[in-house]
Amino acid sequence: ELKVEQNPLFLSMQEGKNYTIYCNYSTTSDRLYWYRQDPGKSLESLFVLLSNGAVKQEGRLMASLDTKARLSTLHITAAVHDLSATYFCAVDILGYQKVTFGTGTKLQVIP
Amino acid sequence: GAVVSQHPSWVICKSGTSVKIECRSLDFQATTMFWYRQFPKQSLMLMATSNEGSKATYEQGVEKDKFLINHASLTLSTLTVTSAHPEDSSFYICSAISRLVGTDTQYFGPGTRLTVL
Repeated sequence: ELKVEQNPLFLSMQEGKNYTIYCNYSTTSDRLYWYRQDPGKSLESLFVLLSNGAVKQEGRLMASLDTKARLSTLHITAAVHDLSATYFCAVDILGYQKVTFGTGTKLQVIP
Repeated sequence: GAVVSQHPSWVICKSGTSVKIECRSLDFQATTMFWYRQFPKQSLMLMATSNEGSKATYEQGVEKDKFLINHASLTLSTLTVTSAHPEDSSFYICSAISRLVGTDTQYFGPGTRLTVL
């Protein structure tokens, strides 16, 4: 059974600081997704990572994938309050989008 | 990007009644739709995978007779919660992909919040 764990579960940080969220998964996969969820809302797709060593960046967020370590990271640079949300990684091991979601990381950026 | 809608966005019903939730792909043909459930402050749990024109595939532990899924067309899937009880109260989210064009992204609907009294 695939397990997807995120660390930390909750993160409170000040604006302007950097931090990394980790996503570990238990079964080989080279397809990983990052999503953002605002309170009471659905998911917004952030990144799609489809190969070992993939790195993608959008604004203050950068995601990477290491399939050998079964690890993906979401790095936050110079956080701003607007980034406050819950972030989920999701892993697809079968290649047809049947994903397993991570535990989620609730990010709170304090002005 | 592709748009997926859900209706209703919020529903409150009495225990024992049935509730139908619609998921529509507005600008593409969704060959596959997924239904998720999310309890407060928890992650999304996949309930079932729905392919157009065929029976849904349910995840382990999901009662197929309680959560009826129909994917009758390439733009519409419905989830019916039958004989709803308070423990069925949750946030239900659908997503859709199109194998016709090939995509690596699921497009998520805005979610439906179900409260059963």
